[in-house]
Amino acid sequence: AQTVTQSQPEMSVQEAETVTLSCTYDTSENNYYLFWYKQPPSRQMILVIRQEAYKQQNATENRFSVNFQKAAKSFSLKISDSQLGDTAMYFCAFMSLQNAGGTSYGKLTFGQGTILTVHP
Amino acid sequence: KAGVTQTPRYLIKTRGQQVTLSCSPISGHRSVSWYQQTPGQGLQFLFEYFSETQRNKGNFPGRFSGRQFSNSRSEMNVSTLELGDSALYLCASSLVPGHSGPQFFGPGTRLTVL
Repeated sequence: AQTVTQSQPEMSVQEAETVTLSCTYDTSENNYYLFWYKQPPSRQMILVIRQEAYKQQNATENRFSVNFQKAAKSFSLKISDSQLGDTAMYFCAFMSLQNAGGTSYGKLTFGQGTILTVHP
Repeated sequence: KAGVTQTPRYLIKTRGQQVTLSCSPISGHRSVSWYQQTPGQGLQFLFEYFSETQRNKGNFPGRFSGRQFSNSRSEMNVSTLELGDSALYLCASSLVPGHSGPQFFGPGTRLTVL
């Protein structure tokens, strides 16, 4: 079974600074996908960034980027130029796929989450 | 484009009752997945539906079930409610299942079991 570990229950950062959230995972699969989701207080969860394990290049989405270390099974999220709106719970998630009838299906395994607070 | 909607937003039930939660995906999205979020267990995958068929299931007892309609709307049902079923139930929609992962989540239904 896959497990996802986020070792930082809470973190804080000053506005405009950079912060890195850690995530490690355990799997015997070779082909899988990794995600970071953001859940702001009392608001809907949204996908921040996605990484395919077969891609060596780290994914980037505007101020969000990842450091994917496949051998170390590490998938950290870096937020640059932090903004007040980045305050949220951040979840790291893992998904491997199974094929059935020509369609791929997967189920997400989430970490416990990291509460990030951005201070003005 | 309207987002993922879930009804009701809040629900209070007593032990032994059953409950039905509804999720309407983004228009055109055909895959709906459900998750349970609790402070103790975190976020856990319940099941995924695509083309009106359950395609994947998490490690939950048979009291948890669901279905999907031809318009891709999905319902989940929990029978014989237990105190431990108190949670935020989230649904997410995707165009199709697979590697893209769920991109859009609903606001959730907060279920309290007394």
